[in-house]
Amino acid sequence: QKEVEQNSGPLSVPEGAIASLNCTYSDRGSQSFFWYRQYSGKSPELIMFIYSNGDKEDGRFTAQLNKASQYVSLLIRDSQPSDSATYLCAPRGGTSYGKLTFGQGTILTVHP
Amino acid sequence: GAVVSQHPSWVICKSGTSVKIECRSLDFQATTMFWYRQFPKQSLMLMATSNEGSKATYEQGVEKDKFLINHASLTLSTLTVTSAHPEDSSFYICSATQTSGGRDEQFFGPGTRLTVL
Repeated sequence: QKEVEQNSGPLSVPEGAIASLNCTYSDRGSQSFFWYRQYSGKSPELIMFIYSNGDKEDGRFTAQLNKASQYVSLLIRDSQPSDSATYLCAPRGGTSYGKLTFGQGTILTVHP
Repeated sequence: GAVVSQHPSWVICKSGTSVKIECRSLDFQATTMFWYRQFPKQSLMLMATSNEGSKATYEQGVEKDKFLINHASLTLSTLTVTSAHPEDSSFYICSATQTSGGRDEQFFGPGTRLTVL
């Protein structure tokens, strides 16, 4: 079992729709969870982080965390073509201490 | 957010030569920096954790004698790829940890694309 698994892509949604990105993790000790966006040929940039169970909203982005299910998700509302990128889920904590453990990423394409 | 720079942004070298990559935190001090490698269509793989003033901690399978890391100050870490070979061609990315409000965030540099001929 991989440490971090993300829904296989690529994911394609029309402009204006909601994009749903999912991530499960195996280390129950993980304490914080980060979502990064990576454009092709560029380095990752932080979109959101979440520490507590429940929802956290920031603009068009909502992160959801369920530690009991070891599940974290990212919703992107009103998706725009500029959101087209690879989204990386990265739990931190537990056995990995301060290190991030990246999932394989989900490629999102938002088509006009 | 905090800014992390890397230099050079890309480098092409001949097989057998050594290449040094610099990672700087521009507007904050980072006691911990991380070095990642990313091959095409793959995710980021952590190579090592670099702590200021101490030896780097390498991940399993990463040769410490080949990938030399020096974290000489709170704003600078360097990665030297020694005796580079074509299989070392990759996208090398550093990140620096900023602590704020009791929480840590990792900010990534723009990456260095290494091509070994």
